[in-house]
Amino acid sequence: GAVVSQHPSWVICKSGTSVKIECRSLDFQATTMFWYRQFPKQSLMLMATSNEGSKATYEQGVEKDKFLINHASLTLSTLTVTSAHPEDSSFYICSAGDRGTEAFFGQGTRLTVV
Amino acid sequence: DAKTTQPTSMDCAEGRAANLPCNHSTISGNEYVYWYRQIHSQGPQYIIHGLKNNETNEMASLIITEDRKSSTLILPHATLRDTAVYYCIVRVRRNDYKLSFGAGTTVTVRA
Repeated sequence: GAVVSQHPSWVICKSGTSVKIECRSLDFQATTMFWYRQFPKQSLMLMATSNEGSKATYEQGVEKDKFLINHASLTLSTLTVTSAHPEDSSFYICSAGDRGTEAFFGQGTRLTVV
Repeated sequence: DAKTTQPTSMDCAEGRAANLPCNHSTISGNEYVYWYRQIHSQGPQYIIHGLKNNETNEMASLIITEDRKSSTLILPHATLRDTAVYYCIVRVRRNDYKLSFGAGTTVTVRA
C-alpha cells in the first residue's frame, strides 16, 4: 500500500530558531499533501494544503509566514516552523493519497521548543 | 461533510469483539463513512470505509444501518495493540484526501 514517511520523528529546538519537517510519498506521486497539527489530548487540526508547484492553501487562523510550506516535487513537501516558540510545540502530521486509494498518514513529528 | 457523534471512550476485553458506534444522522446520499484510528504518538491509520453495504477487510467490519444514519465498526478479536483513538468520518469520496477529524472514541483494550 501507499507509504508516507515523515522526518524527523522528533525534534527539540531552541526558541527563536526554525525547524524543517519533511513529508515524502515513497511509492506514489502526490500533487497534494496535507499538514495537520495535534496538541496533547486533542484531535488533529488541518493546518494547510500543500500543492505541488504552487502556493499552499492555509486554514483560517494559521499564519502562513510562520508555517512555510514548500512542495517542490511530486514526492516531497516540507513544513518549516519559523522562529519557533514554546506554544508551537506540538505533533505535526502529514498525509497524502494515491489515486484510487484512501488518505495515508506519516508517522508524525513531535516538536518541542525549549 | 456531515457531522458525526461518537462515544468519548470505551473499554473492551482482549479477545472479545469491540463494537464502536457512530451516529451520522445528517449524512447525504453521496457521502461515505470512513474509519481511521490513531495509536498513541503515531499518525492515523486507515481502517475501512463504506457507502451503504456492509464491508469487511482484514482489520475490521463496518455495519451501516439501512437508513445510513448510524454505523458500527467491529474489531472481531480485539488485542492490546488495538488500543487507540478511533475516528468516524463522513465525507464525499473524492481525491483531495482532506479529512476533518472529530474527537473520536478512545478505545482501551484490557487483558
